[in-house]
Amino acid sequence: GQQVMQIPQYQHVQEGEDFTTYCNSSTTLSNIQWYKQRPGGHPVFLIQLVKSGEVKKQKRLTFQFGEAKKNSSLHITATQTTDVGTYFCAGRNDYKLSFGAGTTVTVRA
Amino acid sequence: GAVVSQHPSRVICKSGTSVKIECRSLDFQATTMFWYRQFPKQSLMLMATSNEGSKATYEQGVEKDKFLINHASLTLSTLTVTSAHPEDSSFYICSALSRGNNQPQHFGDGTRLSIL
Repeated sequence: GQQVMQIPQYQHVQEGEDFTTYCNSSTTLSNIQWYKQRPGGHPVFLIQLVKSGEVKKQKRLTFQFGEAKKNSSLHITATQTTDVGTYFCAGRNDYKLSFGAGTTVTVRA
Repeated sequence: GAVVSQHPSRVICKSGTSVKIECRSLDFQATTMFWYRQFPKQSLMLMATSNEGSKATYEQGVEKDKFLINHASLTLSTLTVTSAHPEDSSFYICSALSRGNNQPQHFGDGTRLSIL
């Protein structure tokens, strides 16, 4: 079945620094979605990428979808304490979403 | 924006109890709803897909007789954990998908189930 691999599992970042989390799918995706889950909370939809090579930005967050529609990345610049949480990618094939393991981000001031 | 309401948010009950969780789409019709389970520090694992008016499709390893799903209308799906045991303790999250291509899934707030 479809598998979505996400790395790194943990990211400890100095406030103000940048970091990137990566997702790779074993199959071609129709789209990829990104979610953020705060401790104790539920996943909150951030963005969806549909087109091959698509790049979208949300303030300090940059999302990319690979040309082959099998990989994606989330890059956060100038990390802030509000960025703490777990970021999940979720690849969609047909109607199902397959979630990556998530990248849990902690920030040191 | 699209809102999905999930109730209850937390349940603590004795072993052997059956627990019903509701998932409602508040401002859109959800042709498909999904039920996930998330153990601490792990990702979301799809349990089953619920389509309005038809039987749910369960993922491999999920017991359909233990996790009963009913999707009676375009705005409501329910998950009943029957005869719950401590190993069923987890965070259960529903999501809803509206009509149309490439629509994002919208998640409920989740239900934290603790079986004593």
